[in-house]
Amino acid sequence: GQQLNQSPQSMFIQEGEDVSMNCTSSSIFNTWLWYKQEPGEGPVLLIALYKAGELTSNGRLTAQFGITRKDSFLNISASIPSDVGIYFCAALNYGGSQGNLIFGKGTKLSVKP
Amino acid sequence: NAGVTQTPKFRVLKTGQSMTLLCAQDMNHEYMYWYRQDPGMGLRLIHYSVGEGTTAKGEVPDGYNVSRLKKQNFLLGLESAAPSQTSVYFCASSPRGGGALNEQFFGPGTRLTVL
Repeated sequence: GQQLNQSPQSMFIQEGEDVSMNCTSSSIFNTWLWYKQEPGEGPVLLIALYKAGELTSNGRLTAQFGITRKDSFLNISASIPSDVGIYFCAALNYGGSQGNLIFGKGTKLSVKP
Repeated sequence: NAGVTQTPKFRVLKTGQSMTLLCAQDMNHEYMYWYRQDPGMGLRLIHYSVGEGTTAKGEVPDGYNVSRLKKQNFLLGLESAAPSQTSVYFCASSPRGGGALNEQFFGPGTRLTVL
């Protein structure tokens, strides 16, 4: 079946550093989404991408939909302690199963003050 | 708006017991979903619904049943709980299934332990 390979699995960074994580697949997708999950909470949508090559920002977060439609990356600039959490990529090819997002396994981010 | 709410927040069951998890959304969304989240596994889709009265199987449907009798509610049932069903369960909803309307909003989760 379709799978998303998300890397890295975890990151330990110093406050103020930039962060980069990515998701790749052997399958093509029409939609890429990035979610953040904090301990004890459900995932919260950060950025949504709908066109190949699209680059979208949300504050200090920037995400891109890869040209090949098989990958996406998320960058966080000037990290702060509240960026701590697990970041998930998710993708959908809505020409196939409607509504069935596929999730990566997450990148756990730790920020040292 | 409360968004997506889940009841209960925590539950401990013995093997073989049954229970129902309730998800409610007040955003008039058409689509609703149930996921389970296990350490290192990300989120896996159990069942989903594309509208009132309809349900469909996701990636890991075995051992679960669902019902969508009202548009705003999506119930997840465990008829005979097993230790392998120990997990955190998340409900989500989206306006529809394509493009921008597939942005799913998640509830806070239900932590279930089966002894």
